[in-house]
Amino acid sequence: DADVTQTPRNRITKTGKRIMLECSQTKGHDRMYWYRQDPGLGLQLIYYSFDVKDINKGEISDGYSVSRQAQAKFSLSLESAIPNQTALYFCATSDRQSTSTDTQYFGPGTRLTVL
Amino acid sequence: QKEVEQNSGPLSVPEGAIASLNCTYSDRVSQSFFWYRQYSGKSPELIMSIYSNGDKEDGRFTAQLNKASQYVSLLIRDSQPSDSATYLCAVRARAAGNKLTFGGGTRVLVKP
Repeated sequence: DADVTQTPRNRITKTGKRIMLECSQTKGHDRMYWYRQDPGLGLQLIYYSFDVKDINKGEISDGYSVSRQAQAKFSLSLESAIPNQTALYFCATSDRQSTSTDTQYFGPGTRLTVL
Repeated sequence: QKEVEQNSGPLSVPEGAIASLNCTYSDRVSQSFFWYRQYSGKSPELIMSIYSNGDKEDGRFTAQLNKASQYVSLLIRDSQPSDSATYLCAVRARAAGNKLTFGGGTRVLVKP
């Protein structure tokens, strides 16, 4: 089984709809991240969480919210989806115990299309 | 100026040749440097990390870091068609809360 899973893998929705993307991990990591990737571009950080009670905004948090329900679960919500939020979304995790390396492990991604 | 810059490519190399990828960064206090490989439509996969000046080799991959010049590179020796992918450079600075900042990626095409 994959260490980092994301659901759904693909989603098509309409402008104005609320949508939630979910991320779960079995790696036992305390840090979790949400990124978006637009075609031909690198990864942009939306939100990150260093533990259940610690949530921080990233570079592009406007229009998004998150919830860290447990150490293993980190959800991303689009309260009112708009077309320019069409992108590939990745969840990632890392381990505080390895702060010198802070290697991030990525989930398989969710392809979101907002019509 | 972007914090982490890469040439978007595509970088076209013949099979068996060396592919050389470059990355520059703007934050002088950056401490950790990573190269991720991403196949089209897939998630990034870590292939190399480097923390001190000099070279680090792992199989066919060599990462080179020069902090004075704020420059990190990746060499892929004996390039194979399976190396065709986008390579993302990522930089971590402790002052930035240990977050990673990614470059836009360099697309590499290895031609048989």
